[in-house]
Amino acid sequence: AQSVTQLGSHVSVSEGALVLLRCNYSSSVPPYLFWYVQYPNQGLQLLLKYTSAATLVKGINGFEAEFKKSETSFHLTKPSAHMRDAAEYFCAVTRSTGNQFYFGTGTSLTVIP
Amino acid sequence: SQTIHQWPATLVQPVGSPLSLECTVEGTSNPNLYWYRQAAGRGLQLLFYSVGIGQISSEVPQNLSASRPQDRQFILSSKKLLLSDSGFYLCAWSVEGSRYGYTFGSGTRLTVV
Repeated sequence: AQSVTQLGSHVSVSEGALVLLRCNYSSSVPPYLFWYVQYPNQGLQLLLKYTSAATLVKGINGFEAEFKKSETSFHLTKPSAHMRDAAEYFCAVTRSTGNQFYFGTGTSLTVIP
Repeated sequence: SQTIHQWPATLVQPVGSPLSLECTVEGTSNPNLYWYRQAAGRGLQLLFYSVGIGQISSEVPQNLSASRPQDRQFILSSKKLLLSDSGFYLCAWSVEGSRYGYTFGSGTRLTVV
């Protein structure tokens, strides 16, 4: 079975500070991992994905994530937060032969000016 | 390119009234289709998914039903809405296997009064 755990339902950072959103996964087979962003009253937009190629994945809007098998983690980072990064972020896992995603409960990011 | 359309964007319905939300996908064939719900302050709950015409899998027993009358059309329905049906409903599609990720529609905000 697959699942993800997002540590911290709310994260606040100052504008210009490092953003770190945590995601740990559980999977009985090699996983595919994703980060999505959701702005208020909008659908989810794919930020980046890991599909067993490079372990450091670069996404849109300056975000990146590193797959660490030994730690079963896929944390999302951005060196310098912008006001426009304020949103809800979801981590998700699936497997190569599956048809379903398993989403985390989400992390709400607040950027303080 | 592929696009997904979801409507209406917002809906206010009285308790006991019927519901029909529609989702269509363009630019692809035989997509996997999904309905998710986000209740206020909560994560994503998978309601239904479909791997083909007339094939519906239900994840959670509830007051809702889904149908797939055409390859790229997915409908979420209810005969009688409950207050607890309020939430943000998201349609999504993926290719078989989901390893490329989901693409989400823009969502429908349903308020049952």
